[in-house]
Amino acid sequence: EAEVAQSPRYKITEKSQAVAFWCDPISGHATLYWYRQILGQGPELLVQFQDESVVDDSQLPKDRFSAERLKGVDSTLKIQPAELGDSAMYLCASSLGGGQSYSGNTIYFGEGSWLTVV
Amino acid sequence: AQTVTQSQPEMSVQEAETVTLSCTYDTSESDYYLFWYKQPPSRQMILVIRQEAYKQQNATENRFSVNFQKAAKSFSLKISDSQLGDAAMYFCAYRTFGGTSYGKLTFGQGTILTVHP
Repeated sequence: EAEVAQSPRYKITEKSQAVAFWCDPISGHATLYWYRQILGQGPELLVQFQDESVVDDSQLPKDRFSAERLKGVDSTLKIQPAELGDSAMYLCASSLGGGQSYSGNTIYFGEGSWLTVV
Repeated sequence: AQTVTQSQPEMSVQEAETVTLSCTYDTSESDYYLFWYKQPPSRQMILVIRQEAYKQQNATENRFSVNFQKAAKSFSLKISDSQLGDAAMYFCAYRTFGGTSYGKLTFGQGTILTVHP
């Protein structure tokens, strides 16, 4: 069964350092999401791509976070500089479509990348 | 903006018994999707069940079923014959139906389910 791949699974970094996470969605999925999940809370959307275009980054802290999906396939989320409050799970997810039809409406998640900032 | 509320931070159930998790949402849209996701301690989010808003019939998946009340904006999950493997954090989620919001998925705060042997 196809899966959303994420790496690294675990990352420990010092405050003010740069960190990057990679995501490879399920093949053929046009929509890609990055979520941040603090322990014990629900995931919050950071950025959503439709193919290579950003369609929602309203909750992305743009002074330190950036995301790209250059060829409309895999994606990278970067944090520079990392702060203590960035410690969280970063989840990548994908879906076939952007919800405009009743097919391909399920969103599939990767295993997540757990970030600890010290 | 849509909001999703799960009013039960924690629930517990005896093995083989039935438990219901509550979820309410706020929206002005008429077309949308609703989901229940399960997140075990391993952390991967797994889809449990989904419901399209236009369907009046409640969705079922084996031991999992929902009670979808569109007018009341309520979407509860019933787990029958609970098993130890059902222990996890459960999230209710709302997805917009395309348009300018491109199918944004919004989560509730989650409910921790404990299953007692």
